[in-house]
Amino acid sequence: DTAVSQTPKYLVTQMGNDKSIKCEQNLGHDTMYWYKQDSKKFLKIMFSYNNKELIINETVPNRFSPKSPDKAHLNLHINSLELGDSAVYFCASSQGQSSYNEQFFGPGTRLTVL
Amino acid sequence: KQEVTQIPAALSVPEGENLVLNCSFTDSAIYNLQWFRQDPGKGLTSLLLIQSSQREQTSGRLNASLDKSSGRSTLYIAASQPGDSATYLCAYAGGTSYGKLTFGQGTILTVHP
Repeated sequence: DTAVSQTPKYLVTQMGNDKSIKCEQNLGHDTMYWYKQDSKKFLKIMFSYNNKELIINETVPNRFSPKSPDKAHLNLHINSLELGDSAVYFCASSQGQSSYNEQFFGPGTRLTVL
Repeated sequence: KQEVTQIPAALSVPEGENLVLNCSFTDSAIYNLQWFRQDPGKGLTSLLLIQSSQREQTSGRLNASLDKSSGRSTLYIAASQPGDSATYLCAYAGGTSYGKLTFGQGTILTVHP
């Protein structure tokens, strides 16, 4: 199936740990995004990469570091996890970084920090 | 500050009703607007994408309109079914956002048999 996939689907961890979430798309897109959906269901963009280069960084703490090994993958590494990091993280992709392009979303990763 | 407001926050209707979900936005220079559906514990499914040059888009029982001058979009669902129950989100890409979508907080729709 052509899609945006994320692993893991669920992640439960202790405060202070470091964790990574992986995202892959096989749609042939060159732009990928990370969004965060908080407990109030509000979705906000965190990062955007185009052809492995950072395009958008929306005032996200330095503990969050995206890594794009190639244009089909955008992973999110989080250091020193805090309680407030608990949320659902969505990966998305589009063809091109133009604002005209439709975005396709992955199924989300629910992160719970205890 | 870019903002998106969705009204109503929640809606409960009997099966078969036609209904309208509203979305308003503050950015006058939008590039496109997308309507998404989110089922509990699931990801976002794109329903309709309206480019800034378009007035409306249709897919099956869904019709979305866009009025840039008033900063509004509506999603019309005809002959609602229990399977339509979900959260509906609108989001727009605007200005020099390089594809960044700004989301509303959604309308929770419940269609009961």
